[in-house]
Amino acid sequence: AQTVTQSQPEMSVQEAETVTLSCTYDTSESDYYLFWYKQPPSRQMILVIRQEAYKQQNATENRFSVNFQKAAKSFSLKISDSQLGDAAMYFCAYRSNSGGSNYKLTFGKGTLLTVNP
Amino acid sequence: ETGVTQTPRHLVMGMTNKKSLKCEQHLGHNAMYWYKQSAKKPLELMFVYSLEERVENNSVPSRFSPECPNSSHLFLHLHTLQPEDSALYLCASSQGRFETQYFGPGTRLLVL
Repeated sequence: AQTVTQSQPEMSVQEAETVTLSCTYDTSESDYYLFWYKQPPSRQMILVIRQEAYKQQNATENRFSVNFQKAAKSFSLKISDSQLGDAAMYFCAYRSNSGGSNYKLTFGKGTLLTVNP
Repeated sequence: ETGVTQTPRHLVMGMTNKKSLKCEQHLGHNAMYWYKQSAKKPLELMFVYSLEERVENNSVPSRFSPECPNSSHLFLHLHTLQPEDSALYLCASSQGRFETQYFGPGTRLLVL
């Protein structure tokens, strides 16, 4: 079974600085997607960025980028020029693209990011 | 309304009550999901419906009963719940199994 591990329960960053959130996963599959979701306090979870395992190039969405290391099974999220609105719980998630359970997202426990003014 | 909506946003119920959670998606998607989010635990997938047919049921107790009358609506019927069922229940939708899941704001459930 796939597992997703976020080893940092909490992180903090100063406004305008850069922070990296870690995620590792365990799978025997080669075809899958990885996601970072953001859940602000009392607000809904939204997709930040996603990465297909077959793509070598790291995904980027404005100030958010990932460092995808397939061999190491690592998928970290870098937030540049951090803003107060980035404060949230961040979840790393895995979804298989093969086999029967393509619908299932496997989530990590999350990292709570605080942004200090 | 846009995206995925859920009602009610908060619910308090006794162990003998029967209640229902409602989810509606306005994205034209054909798959809908129920997740449970408990404190300090990863989100757990409960049920998946694709084209109104249940395609996944992750060993969820029978006191949770899902219903998907059409591709835009999903319900979770609750009866004789336990205090450990208190959690945030999230609904999500996607266009097929290979596309991104979009989440609703959740229903915060407290079972007394």
